[in-house]
Amino acid sequence: EDQVTQSPEALRLQEGESSSLNCSYTVSGLRGLFWYRQDPGKGPEFLFTLYSAGEEKEKERLKATLTKKESFLHITAPKPEDSATYLCAGGRSGGGADGLTFGKGTHLIIQP
Amino acid sequence: NAGVTQTPKFQVLKTGQSMTLQCAQDMNHEYMSWYRQDPGMGLRLIHYSVGAGITDQGEVPNGYNVSRSTTEDFPLRLLSAAPSQTSVYFCASSPGLSNQPQHFGDGTRLSIL
Repeated sequence: EDQVTQSPEALRLQEGESSSLNCSYTVSGLRGLFWYRQDPGKGPEFLFTLYSAGEEKEKERLKATLTKKESFLHITAPKPEDSATYLCAGGRSGGGADGLTFGKGTHLIIQP
Repeated sequence: NAGVTQTPKFQVLKTGQSMTLQCAQDMNHEYMSWYRQDPGMGLRLIHYSVGAGITDQGEVPNGYNVSRSTTEDFPLRLLSAAPSQTSVYFCASSPGLSNQPQHFGDGTRLSIL
């Protein structure tokens, strides 16, 4: 059974305090590891897709990395506007609409 | 850019009532999906469609029906609402390639009394 586990469940940081969010996955024939950001009352907003171990992608203060068993979302010098829930999802091979398994998310709070 | 549009945004139903949650996308995406999101749980797939006229069940399909008569629209029907269906429902679409991300609407918050 495909499984995606995110840690920690919640994280409170001071503005400028860098940290990492973890996503551990066991997904058959992983075709992509997806990161989303979700703000309160909104739908998930796509951030990154990682396809193979060793791949890295960056966007502003965020950098996502992928190993064979984990993905990390590194947040460098975060600002209060980075506060959100970050979701990780694994997509299995052969699937499109049916192939995503989501983690429960990490609720990130950045205090000024 | 409208993207994925869901209506209504909020709804309160009584147990046993039926209703349809609407979802429309203007990106000409082949794949569309319905998820529910509950506190402490990840997004769970209810039903999905890989094109007009084609639908299939996801992880938690019981109590829900779908149809896909056009590429743009993918409504979700609750046949006889139950309190266990109180949740936030998200519709998503993607181009249909297996490595493409899904684009989500802003959700329908549904309470069943």
